[in-house]
Order: sequence, then C-alpha cells, then structure tokens
Amino acid sequence: DVKVTQSSRYLVKRTGEKVFLECVQDMDHENMFWYRQDPGLGLRLIYFSYDVKMKEKGDIPEGYSVSREKKERFSLILESASTNQTSMYLCASSTPVGSRNYGYTFGSGTRLTVV
Amino acid sequence: QQQVKQSPQSLIVQKGGISIINCAYENTAFDYFPWYQQFPGKGPALLIAIRPDVSEKKEGRFTISFNKSAKQFSLHIMDSQPGDSATYFCAASPLGNQGGKLIFGQGTELSVKP
Repeated sequence: DVKVTQSSRYLVKRTGEKVFLECVQDMDHENMFWYRQDPGLGLRLIYFSYDVKMKEKGDIPEGYSVSREKKERFSLILESASTNQTSMYLCASSTPVGSRNYGYTFGSGTRLTVV
Repeated sequence: QQQVKQSPQSLIVQKGGISIINCAYENTAFDYFPWYQQFPGKGPALLIAIRPDVSEKKEGRFTISFNKSAKQFSLHIMDSQPGDSATYFCAASPLGNQGGKLIFGQGTELSVKP
C-alpha cells in the first residue's frame, strides 16, 4: 500500500522556536506538496517541489521554508514559529501531471499548536 | 482568479437522500477537477475527478457534473449513507503547469443522518 508518512501527528511548540515537519513518501513520486488546513479556508498551498532540490512558492509561503535533498523526503520548516501558524499541516505527493493515475496522495497530517 | 469557491460549508442529509456540493472557478486555464474525501484524523483521499472534455462522470454513487460555460462543477452523492459522513473538497488545476498545483475549495462537512 502506497504511503505518505508525516513524522508527527501532534506537536506543541513555543513561539519563536524553529520547527521541522518531516514527510516521506515511498511511491517514487516526483511531486511533493505542503498544505495547511484551517476551518472555513480549506487547504492552502505553502510550497511544492517537482524535483530534488527544486522548490516553488505556493499561495502562503511567508514564514515557511522547505528542503528536498532526497526524492522521497520533503521537509517544511517554520523559521520562527508564531501563534498564527497553529494549524493542521498536510503533506502530499503525486505522479507527474497528466500521467494515467494522476492524483495526490496525502499523509494523515500534523496538528501543530504554537503557544 | 486562482480561487475555487465551494458551497455549502456544511450539509445535513437523511440516509438515502441526495447530497449535492457545488464549486465555481474563475481561471479558464483550469482543466482538471478532482474531488477529495476526508475522514476525521485522516488526510484527504481522491474520490473522483473529471476533465472538461466531458460533462459528467459517474463512479458508483458518486457523480461529477461539469458546466464549462458557467465555470461550475458539482458532486452528487446518490443514496447517501452514514458512512459518507466526511469533509469533501473540490479542487482544480491546469494540467499543463509544472508540478500540477491543485487549488482547493473551502470544504463541505457532510453529515448523513440514519
């Protein structure tokens, strides 16, 4: 069974801390994504990557950075956590656009609380 | 122009009824329209998707209706069951863009009452 694994289900961090959210996929997918999910706002794209060492800003990149040193791993970094970054973070991966079984596979999410 | 607007925000349907969720978009470059289903504690999972060369796609009890001229698409769940209770997200993207970046709607929380 294909999987996208997020390292933590729940995290509590203090304001100003540097936070790392890790995501690993075992499907050899080229594309990987980080979204945050907030009630009434849906899923908003933070960053995505279509290849190793490549990254593109999404719709809400401010306060975040990413790292993709290996194809299977995509890390989201909160440089200095703030309370408005309290949210559910979802990682996803996909096959190349237009491929036969194109679609996102999501992880189960990390619920981050910044206090 | 990048937005996908989804309604209603929440929906209560009796068992056996039809659930209808609507989405609208502005960007005419969008040409891939999936629906995702999310159960509590889980990530969203692809439910069904449509491309604009057809006006309707059906998979079991789930149907997407697509109106290209109105820039709207909807999800119909026939014979709704309590097990369909979940949050549903519509999404859209231009297939031609690198990375296949999906733009999601705001989500609809569906509750099917026994």
